[in-house]
Amino acid sequence: SQTIHQWPATLVQPVGSPLSLECTVEGTSNPNLYWYRQAAGRGLQLLFYSVGIGQISSEVPQNLSASRPQDRQFILSSKKLLLSDSGFYLCAWSVGQIYEQYFGPGTRLTVT
Amino acid sequence: QKEVEQDPGPLSVPEGAIVSLNCTYSNSAFQYFMWYRQYSRKGPELLMYTYSSGNKEDGRFTAQVDKSSKYISLFIRDSQPSDSATYLCAIPTGNQFYFGTGTSLTVIP
Repeated sequence: SQTIHQWPATLVQPVGSPLSLECTVEGTSNPNLYWYRQAAGRGLQLLFYSVGIGQISSEVPQNLSASRPQDRQFILSSKKLLLSDSGFYLCAWSVGQIYEQYFGPGTRLTVT
Repeated sequence: QKEVEQDPGPLSVPEGAIVSLNCTYSNSAFQYFMWYRQYSRKGPELLMYTYSSGNKEDGRFTAQVDKSSKYISLFIRDSQPSDSATYLCAIPTGNQFYFGTGTSLTVIP
């Protein structure tokens, strides 16, 4: 069966510090991978998606970047965090033309 | 106009009630419609999805699509306290998913 992991689960970082969130998927090959941000009381905002290694599409201009160094690994980064980067970050995967999308447990980021 | 709109609630019902959760969408070309459930501080989990119009039933849950009015619904029968969560509708198109903002539901024992 497929599983998706995200770490860390919780993170508190000062403004201006770097960020690295990691997501890995097990049990499937060549998944589509997604990074979302969910602010308190708001919907899911798609940040990046990737259909393959090294292929990243950005949906929203922002202080963040994404990379996919391996087939089942997706990394969200920032060089300098802003207060507005606080939120709940979710990684998700889907396969091919199947529209079912599965989410990881999320990382709660607080920028202070 | 947003691609998907959802009443945020909150919605509070007694245990055993029938719950109706709704979304509207803007593009008549959308074909797949998904419902996710999200417990507090957890990632969303896929509940069910439908293709095109009609109903789909899974246990106490029924998903309904009305393409003529661009309206999707999720009905929960015999609601339980464990159903207390935020419910999000979602519409996939290409490589993207459009999500509603979620409706917060509390089922009171």
